[in-house]
Amino acid sequence: KQEVTQIPAALSVPEGENLVLNCSFTDSAIYNLQWFRQDPGKGLTSLLLIQSSQREQTSGRLNASLDKSSGRSTLYIAASQPGDSATYLCAVRMGNTPLVFGKGTRLSVIA
Amino acid sequence: DAMVIQNPRYQVTQFGKPVTLSCSQTLNHNVMYWYQQKSSQAPKLLFHYYDKDFNNEADTPDNFQSRRPNTSFCFLDIRSPGLGDTAMYLCATSRGGTGGIYGYTFGSGTRLTVV
Repeated sequence: KQEVTQIPAALSVPEGENLVLNCSFTDSAIYNLQWFRQDPGKGLTSLLLIQSSQREQTSGRLNASLDKSSGRSTLYIAASQPGDSATYLCAVRMGNTPLVFGKGTRLSVIA
Repeated sequence: DAMVIQNPRYQVTQFGKPVTLSCSQTLNHNVMYWYQQKSSQAPKLLFHYYDKDFNNEADTPDNFQSRRPNTSFCFLDIRSPGLGDTAMYLCATSRGGTGGIYGYTFGSGTRLTVV
């Protein structure tokens, strides 16, 4: 059974700092991995999707990497801003089975 | 813009009073999902439709039902809500059978409070 773990559970950083969020999964036979952002009381917004054949994806200040063999992904946020404060969720997809989510990392960026 | 729309945004219902949440999509995705998310927890899958085929998770309470009358719409019915059903309910869509090229698209969620 696939399990997804995100470390740390919470993170607080000063504005302007670069930071890394970690995601690990137990079964490397994934189709893709998706990073989401969730603001309090809101739905999930997709940030980046990495297919199993890819090593990384970039969007603006965000960069996500994937190492399937070691069962790891990282989300790198450059020059963090208070508006980046949210919960970041990692989820993996295996075949046509539904996404398996981690519990998320709650990020606070302090001005 | 193509999107997933959930209504209502907020819903308060009384203990035991049936409630229906709705989800519509303009993406023409063939798979639709309902997730339940309680405070500070990961989303938990309740069930999903792959085309017209309904797939129920083993631990989804019988109290929760779903309908998908057509490709665009999906409903979540809670027959007799309990206080423990207070949660955010998230609808998502994806394109199945494409080998992982596409990700999931989520709606904004319905915040359900049972009083």
